[in-house]
Amino acid sequence: DVKVTQSSRYLVKRTGEKVFLECVQDMDHENMFWYRQDPGLGLRLIYFSYDVKMKEKGDIPEGYSVSREKKERFSLILESASTNQTSMYLCASSSRSGGPKRGPYNEQFFGPGTRLTVL
Amino acid sequence: QKEVEQNSGPLSVPEGAIASLNCTYSDRGSQSFFWYRQYSGKSPELIMFIYSNGDKEDGRFTAQLNKASQYVSLLIRDSQPSDSATYLCAVHNDMRFGAGTRLTVKP
Repeated sequence: DVKVTQSSRYLVKRTGEKVFLECVQDMDHENMFWYRQDPGLGLRLIYFSYDVKMKEKGDIPEGYSVSREKKERFSLILESASTNQTSMYLCASSSRSGGPKRGPYNEQFFGPGTRLTVL
Repeated sequence: QKEVEQNSGPLSVPEGAIASLNCTYSDRGSQSFFWYRQYSGKSPELIMFIYSNGDKEDGRFTAQLNKASQYVSLLIRDSQPSDSATYLCAVHNDMRFGAGTRLTVKP
């Protein structure tokens, strides 16, 4: 059974704290993603990784960084949490497509999400 | 800026009716289109994907793609209360999701 897990379902942090969100997948997927989901805005891509130690910025990378030291694990780091980073954070993974790009074209499998509140 | 647009709804249909969910995208080079269903408090899960122009059917669900009009839709036949959820349109080669359409199926 396909599985993506996230380290916490709920997290409360204070402004200025460094926050680590972890995601682990057991499907041997090459691609991993971090999104945030806000009402009315849908899912917005923060960062994408297509291989170990490789990463690409998404639409809203400011204030975030990522780490992928092992294939199965993709971490999102909030260097100095701010109240506007209060959101639902979703991790996803997908297998590499056979298309002309390395591309994230295949079905994405999502973790349960982490609801982060920054006070 | 590449965009994926959906009518946020809510869309309400009676049980047994056809629900029609629509999505437009701005990138003419988009290739891969996915529909996900997200129940309240849960993560998105795949319903269907479509790559080629035309219709693709899977049980009660039909995805339709018109690349010339940059339009993709999802039809749900014989809608059931269990179909009540938010439906997300995604363009995976652009890694973009629409904001979702909330569907309510009334018994």
